[in-house]
Amino acid sequence: KQEVTQIPAALSVPEGENLVLNCSFTDSAIYNLQWFRQDPGKGLTSLLLIQSSQREQTSGRLNASLDKSSGRSTLYIAASQPGDSATYLCAGFSGSRLTFGEGTQLTVNP
Amino acid sequence: EPEVTQTPSHQVTQMGQEVILRCVPISNHLYFYWYRQILGQKVEFLVSFYNNEISEKSEIFDDQFSVERPDGSNFTLKIRSTKLEDSAMYFCASSGAAEWVSNQPQHFGDGTRLSIL
Repeated sequence: KQEVTQIPAALSVPEGENLVLNCSFTDSAIYNLQWFRQDPGKGLTSLLLIQSSQREQTSGRLNASLDKSSGRSTLYIAASQPGDSATYLCAGFSGSRLTFGEGTQLTVNP
Repeated sequence: EPEVTQTPSHQVTQMGQEVILRCVPISNHLYFYWYRQILGQKVEFLVSFYNNEISEKSEIFDDQFSVERPDGSNFTLKIRSTKLEDSAMYFCASSGAAEWVSNQPQHFGDGTRLSIL
């Protein structure tokens, strides 16, 4: 059974700092991985999809990496802003289903 | 940008009653999903739907649950006889066509908060 774990559970940083969020998964049969942000009481906003054939995917200040051999993915956020404060979720694809981690709650302080 | 829309945003229902949650996926998408998130827990997969039939379902998706695409735009989740433990946020998602379904990102709606009394 696929398990996805995210570390840390919560992170608080000053504005402008670069940061890394970690995601690990137990099943190497994971095909692709998707990162989301979730604002309180809201739905999930897709940030990046990284395919198993890719090692990195970039969108603006965000960069996601995927290493299937070690079962890890990271989300790098450059020059963090208060508007980046949210919960960040990673989810691995197995077939059509996504298996989610618990999320990292990020607070960026002005 | 196209969005997945869900109605209602909040549904309060008595235990044992039937409830239907509604979703309008992104118009050119072909794959549809339901997930749920119990307060303080992970988002959990319920079911995926493609070509008018269920592709995959989790162990949560038992005989109390059903999905339907009644017309060309709506996608519904029905819970036949609700239990207290069905209280959760229910998310609808959709994704576009691809050789492999996992090569397309899933796009989520804002959810329906279901409260069972």
